[in-house]
Amino acid sequence: DIVLTQAPLSVSVTPGESASISCRSSKSLLSSKGITSLYWYLQKPGKSPQLLIYRMSNLASGVPDRFSGSGSETDFTLKISKVETEDVGVYYCAQFLEYPLTFGSGTKLEIK
Amino acid sequence: QVTLKESGPGILQPSQTLSLTCTFSGFSLSTYGMGVGWIRQPSGKGLEWLANIWWDDDKYYNPSLKNRLTISKDTSNNQAFLKITNVDTADTATYYCARIGGFDYWGQGVMVTVSS
Repeated sequence: DIVLTQAPLSVSVTPGESASISCRSSKSLLSSKGITSLYWYLQKPGKSPQLLIYRMSNLASGVPDRFSGSGSETDFTLKISKVETEDVGVYYCAQFLEYPLTFGSGTKLEIK
Repeated sequence: QVTLKESGPGILQPSQTLSLTCTFSGFSLSTYGMGVGWIRQPSGKGLEWLANIWWDDDKYYNPSLKNRLTISKDTSNNQAFLKITNVDTADTATYYCARIGGFDYWGQGVMVTVSS
């Protein structure tokens, strides 16, 4: 199984500042079709997860452009610029390259 | 507008079979490329993928649950189903269904408690 390791476990950010979350994969997520199958989700308190970024760097519909995704074949970063109070929650990365689909263990973002 | 909603028994006893239903709208499981997945989350813990079913009835399961999972669909009624046999307390969780396509839409989740 592909293991996704997220860091840090939690991050505390002042509103207006930026935050970065790392996700490292135990295997390259670059497919033979040239697609990097890494996804990012945010689960706000008491809510279902919501898709933020698909295929490593594509912003999902309706997601503010304060969110961005980048990376290589195995190392990925979610960046949130100008963090707002509504960004609190747990961020998960996930891989869709192969079964079983796997998620990272999550990074909790809190507001200072 | 895409929506999904899970339903289930709420509480069941160890060794019983858990039956979950995902009722969705805004897309069809008869459309090429469409699919629905099930994911669960124990309280205070992370996400675990369980199973996917595709428009062509292709099915994929998480091997960690061995042969306990069965996913199916009713295309006419826009529903997907998941059964988990021989449940125990470790299956206590919130269960979500989501549209495949990167799980771009999720249901609100249904809480399931396994307790004697």
